[in-house]
Amino acid sequence: GEDVEQSLFLSVREGDSSVINCTYTDSSSTYLYWYKQEPGAGLQLLTYIFSNMDMKQDQRLTVLLNKKDKHLSLRIADTQTGDSAIYFCAESYTGNQFYFGTGTSLTVIP
Amino acid sequence: DGGITQSPKYLFRKEGQNVTLSCEQNLNHDAMYWYRQDPGQGLRLIYYSQIVNDFQKGDIAEGYSVSREKKESFPLTVTSAQKNPTAFYLCASTRTGTEAFYGYTFGSGTRLTVV
Repeated sequence: GEDVEQSLFLSVREGDSSVINCTYTDSSSTYLYWYKQEPGAGLQLLTYIFSNMDMKQDQRLTVLLNKKDKHLSLRIADTQTGDSAIYFCAESYTGNQFYFGTGTSLTVIP
Repeated sequence: DGGITQSPKYLFRKEGQNVTLSCEQNLNHDAMYWYRQDPGQGLRLIYYSQIVNDFQKGDIAEGYSVSREKKESFPLTVTSAQKNPTAFYLCASTRTGTEAFYGYTFGSGTRLTVV
């Protein structure tokens, strides 16, 4: 499969912004996604971005895409304790198969 | 409400046993997927099916089997040939074609433990 890389851990203080980064290798990626997984649960789709976009904002979430560097980031503004979870980056070219990163475990310190 | 239901939530398997994990969806999705999740390794694709009575191996299919007799159901059997089955198993579904790009819907997972 394609390589999708993320750092494993991130800690932030409540109220600060969190930035979770992801790099991918497939330059043909058409859609890129961010999923959230709470403990013991499945993955929940947070947001996605088309490859012809540079940025997408949805309330506290901002997704930035740098196609040249194959870099995707998720910024969470005013991070809350309820945002503590594992965040997965994923990409797809065909829509038939999605490739996931290893996940970044976000810990929010009160 | 539409969604994907995985059962059981927890499953214990003795050495040498086959066990079957259930996945049912009422979203009218065409494609269904099974992933295995291990700590620090992300999600690895076991099997997927894009249409009834057809399925393809993913990256780690050895020791697993599936069937797709109905659009709504995609059960996964973990056979005794799978040497390290302890993991969290996730089922997902999506539409096919251009609508597939709107992403997966995931079930809540089954945690399988070998005892």
